[in-house]
Amino acid sequence: SAVISQKPSRDICQRGTSLTIQCQVDSQVTMMFWYRQQPGQSLTLIATANQGSEATYESGFVIDKFPISRPNLTFSTLTVSNMSPEDSSIYLCSVEKSVREAHTYEQYFGPGTRLTVT
Amino acid sequence: SQKIEQNSEALNIQEGKTATLTCNYTNYSPAYLQWYRQDPGRGPVFLLLIRENEKEKRKERLKVTFDTTLKQSLFHITASQPADSATYLCALGKLIFGQGTELSVKP
Repeated sequence: SAVISQKPSRDICQRGTSLTIQCQVDSQVTMMFWYRQQPGQSLTLIATANQGSEATYESGFVIDKFPISRPNLTFSTLTVSNMSPEDSSIYLCSVEKSVREAHTYEQYFGPGTRLTVT
Repeated sequence: SQKIEQNSEALNIQEGKTATLTCNYTNYSPAYLQWYRQDPGRGPVFLLLIRENEKEKRKERLKVTFDTTLKQSLFHITASQPADSATYLCALGKLIFGQGTELSVKP
């Protein structure tokens, strides 16, 4: 399993400012993922963060708006830049752990960061 | 585009009964499908992963079926308990998540 913590758990920010969200995992993982979950909506993958290389962004998300850092195998940050009210959402960090004996994997999520932009 | 549909309405059942949740997908041939539980204000919790070559998978009171012909997965909770009340999400890989079905188990 994997235990994931995120900071901050919630924040209220003014439009035009930026917020950096931290994600810490209790074990080394190859890939970390950042998701957004808007109220009443499903999860949307923002990007995949790999250690030692640039993050891979999904369609509709760009590095200038959501810069990501991945300095080591247990930590990542997501910055929401130049925020607008449309960025109000829950941001979730996630990791994947393989289950070798079952030849499968399990995906774990952090508790999320609830962001409100006014 | 790829799409997942789950029961949009909340499912209310009596304690002890079996809850059955549905996940339908289109325009996609997934190698596997996952089910998660999400409680209010929390991140999703992984429950089960089923591969395309597996018809059924069980874990304690949970059972998942996967019909690639119908493009449908069913998620069953037997002997349901009030503590099972939550929103249940299905997902295709890491990219496509359903909106979830809210389950409420009444004592």
